[in-house]
Amino acid sequence: EIVLTQSPATLALSPGERATLSCRASQSVGSYLAWYQQKPGQSPRLLIYEASNRATGIPARFSGSGSGTDFTLTISSLEPEDFGLYYCQQRSNWLFGPGTKVNI
Amino acid sequence: QVQLVQSGAEVKKPGASMKVSCKASGYTFTGYYIHWVRQAPGQGLEWMGWINPNTGATDSIQKFKDRLTVTRDTSISTAYMELSSLRSDDTAIYYCARLKPGTYHFDYWGQGTLITVSS
Repeated sequence: EIVLTQSPATLALSPGERATLSCRASQSVGSYLAWYQQKPGQSPRLLIYEASNRATGIPARFSGSGSGTDFTLTISSLEPEDFGLYYCQQRSNWLFGPGTKVNI
Repeated sequence: QVQLVQSGAEVKKPGASMKVSCKASGYTFTGYYIHWVRQAPGQGLEWMGWINPNTGATDSIQKFKDRLTVTRDTSISTAYMELSSLRSDDTAIYYCARLKPGTYHFDYWGQGTLITVSS
């Protein structure tokens, strides 16, 4: 089974700073990796699909890159509303990574 | 607009069963898969299983195969997830999520249903 690891576990940054979140797969998943944001008390929200495609309505400050086993979610300039948990998810067995918590 | 509206929170006793509904609107129900994902308190997202509302075909992760039943009623555009033999560690928020065939991401999510298993 393909396992996803995410790093760092926690990221503490200030508004305006750049955030770089990593997701690594134990085997290649091609480009079939998605990123979700979850705020406290809310359902997850799709940010990025197929590694680099922004979902509908997602601001341009969110971008995704990578393929194979190494993927990155970048938030170019953090806004206060960007705090929360970020999960990656792969298609092979639909499993999610453990998440990265972004503290603003 | 696309909406997935789930049934309300419930408290269940150990050994009981629970059934969560997920009513879809704003799109053709049979054109998208419904997946189920749960989240225990303070924990991450755990994928459970899916149903193809068009054919009724289902699949689930091995750990749930003997306890999980996913069904649908196309006449009311609703999917159901039933989990039996509940234990305290089944306490979680249960989400339904939509997936377009041929893609590998969940584009819309229900609001979640909190199931508490307690004696």
